[in-house]
Amino acid sequence: DGGITQSPKYLFRKEGQNVTLSCEQNLNHDAMYWYRQDPGQGLRLIYYSQIVNDFQKGDIAEGYSVSREKKESFPLTVTSAQKNPTAFYLCASRSAGLRDGNTIYFGEGSWLTVV
Amino acid sequence: DAKTTQPPSMDCAEGRAANLPCNHSTISGNEYVYWYRQIHSQGPQYIIHGLKNNETNEMASLIITEDRKSSTLILPHATLRDTAVYYCIVRLPLTDSWGKLQFGAGTQVVVTP
Repeated sequence: DGGITQSPKYLFRKEGQNVTLSCEQNLNHDAMYWYRQDPGQGLRLIYYSQIVNDFQKGDIAEGYSVSREKKESFPLTVTSAQKNPTAFYLCASRSAGLRDGNTIYFGEGSWLTVV
Repeated sequence: DAKTTQPPSMDCAEGRAANLPCNHSTISGNEYVYWYRQIHSQGPQYIIHGLKNNETNEMASLIITEDRKSSTLILPHATLRDTAVYYCIVRLPLTDSWGKLQFGAGTQVVVTP
């Protein structure tokens, strides 16, 4: 089935460690996004990529890094510089067709807890 | 993006239709109406979208008023698995405005046996 796969679903990290969240899509979408969602809060954009080998900072990029070496993959690294990394992380991709309304689709999310 | 207003919560009996309203009185002519839902601890799920005409898919129906200032999402036969927060979003397609996605508070729908 086509979709967006995030892994791992749950991740625990010790303070001072970097961790990478995986995001893979087989929807052939050019644009991909990373959001952070804190409990009871809305989505906040971390990074987005319109095309391979290009990405842009979102509203809360500090302490995070990304790469986009392949169309299908957009991994997010949460570095030790991120002061409050415990959150629910969502990866998304966007269709490019007007018929599809340029709809954005989300993965199932990854829970990161810093211990 | 046009501002949307949704009721904070609603209950629905299992097997009955759930009608979720959304007001978007400042919608512009080219903005689409999108509906998503988020089940607890899961990523938001796309449900349906429309511009002017009513739309139906395997999940739901979308009824948009003639003046486009409001819409209703209809879940024809609600099940317990439909318990979620439902978000109505109005935005232009063909832009990268999804990068500034704002879901708002949405409507918490609870389906009861």
